[in-house]
Amino acid sequence: DAGVIQSPRHEVTEMGQEVTLRCKPISGHDYLFWYRQTMMRGLELLIYFNNNVPIDDSGMPEDRFSAKMPNASFSTLKIQPSEPRDSAVYFCASSSQQGQKLFFGSGTQLSVL
Amino acid sequence: QQPVQSPQAVILREGEDAVINCSSSKALYSVHWYRQKHGEAPVFLMILLKGGEQKGHEKISASFNEKKQQSSLYLTASQLSYSGTYFCGDKAAGNKLTFGGGTRVLVKP
Repeated sequence: DAGVIQSPRHEVTEMGQEVTLRCKPISGHDYLFWYRQTMMRGLELLIYFNNNVPIDDSGMPEDRFSAKMPNASFSTLKIQPSEPRDSAVYFCASSSQQGQKLFFGSGTQLSVL
Repeated sequence: QQPVQSPQAVILREGEDAVINCSSSKALYSVHWYRQKHGEAPVFLMILLKGGEQKGHEKISASFNEKKQQSSLYLTASQLSYSGTYFCGDKAAGNKLTFGGGTRVLVKP
């Protein structure tokens, strides 16, 4: 299996622009998680899905952030409009069932200028 | 509320031992441990469930005391490859895994 695939690996954008991060989970995994990592706040859970349904989005910082999972093999995290404080590494992870280990993607390094 | 890890950083010589502690304010179902190398994604090490069990991964082991809501990770006879940042994650109800702030480990020759 190719593992969790995220794109792009790096994204540099200007403040105010829309940013879309993409994730393809491991085939057969029912859970998908979006995490954000910064030096100041560490690894924060933004939102997670079970069977394509958002279960807990309490970590989504603001209305500027939205996430979708239209099918079992694809999820997006969108920031509109982006701000410099959104600069971080965004990780997507998936797991096969509740309580089991997470497999992380390589992450997207986002820089908002 | 994220779990609290200590120490924040530790420097070891090859072959030395270290302990990383993780403390939660929640009643826990399980504790997870991950290691992240610089510039890479976190990688799963182990999960500990209720029952005070201990687990091992190479010469890395861990314990979980659910009454005290604490877990400890033991690095025994450390190797250069053990360098990285170690994260504990606690899981209460649901499937929400919340990570601690991390412990940076540097193993020197």
